Amino acid sequence: EVQLLESGGGLEQPGGSLRLSCVASGFTFSSYAMNWVRQAPGKGLEWVSVISGRGGTSYYADSVKGRFAISRDNSKNTVYLQMNGLRAEDTAMYYCAKAGGSYTYAYPGDFWGQGTLVTVSS
Amino acid sequence: QSALTQPASVSGSPGQSITISCTGTSSDVGNYDYVSWYQLHPGEAPKLMIFDVSNRPSGVSNRFSGSKSGNTASLTISGLQAEDEADYYCNSYTSTSTWVFGGGTKLTVL
Repeated sequence: EVQLLESGGGLEQPGGSLRLSCVASGFTFSSYAMNWVRQAPGKGLEWVSVISGRGGTSYYADSVKGRFAISRDNSKNTVYLQMNGLRAEDTAMYYCAKAGGSYTYAYPGDFWGQGTLVTVSS
Repeated sequence: QSALTQPASVSGSPGQSITISCTGTSSDVGNYDYVSWYQLHPGEAPKLMIFDVSNRPSGVSNRFSGSKSGNTASLTISGLQAEDEADYYCNSYTSTSTWVFGGGTKLTVL
């Protein structure tokens, strides 16, 4: 059974940093790209970032480019999202999602975690 | 990376069929067969309903179907059931190697 467990969310001040983690199980982790997707309170889904199965390719939404960094450790079945320069508009539930294949153009979410809540406020 | 355009809401009675549209541009929906659809119930994680325009994952009811014409993709739900009431989001690959979601559509089963 595929399981994705996010952690690392919490309350952070504007300009601060957080690192989200997502531990995966139930599939061959290195064979699949992984995505981060967020949903602000009362808003729709927003794609944030994707990293390929081997970790060599990654892409970002314009809204986070230059501030967020995605990475993965295939030996630990874990994908990370380092979030720097946090802004109030980054407040959201952050989901990690398994892609349908190894490449970043594989559909972004055949399985999703339950999410971790990030709140950016002073 | 402008969001894809979806109707804010649609509704239908049990047993009826509804269609949710998702309009993009030639830089996303119109240029790639990489459109997927997700169902969100309040408090739950999103669920993949359709991938690559018209493919259904294992376990998803065949009442759900997807299609695409030009820059517009569509999700059709036939034989509406109360459990189908949820928010639905489309998603497409883009020419900048990123992904973009639609604004979401709230489906009400009357």
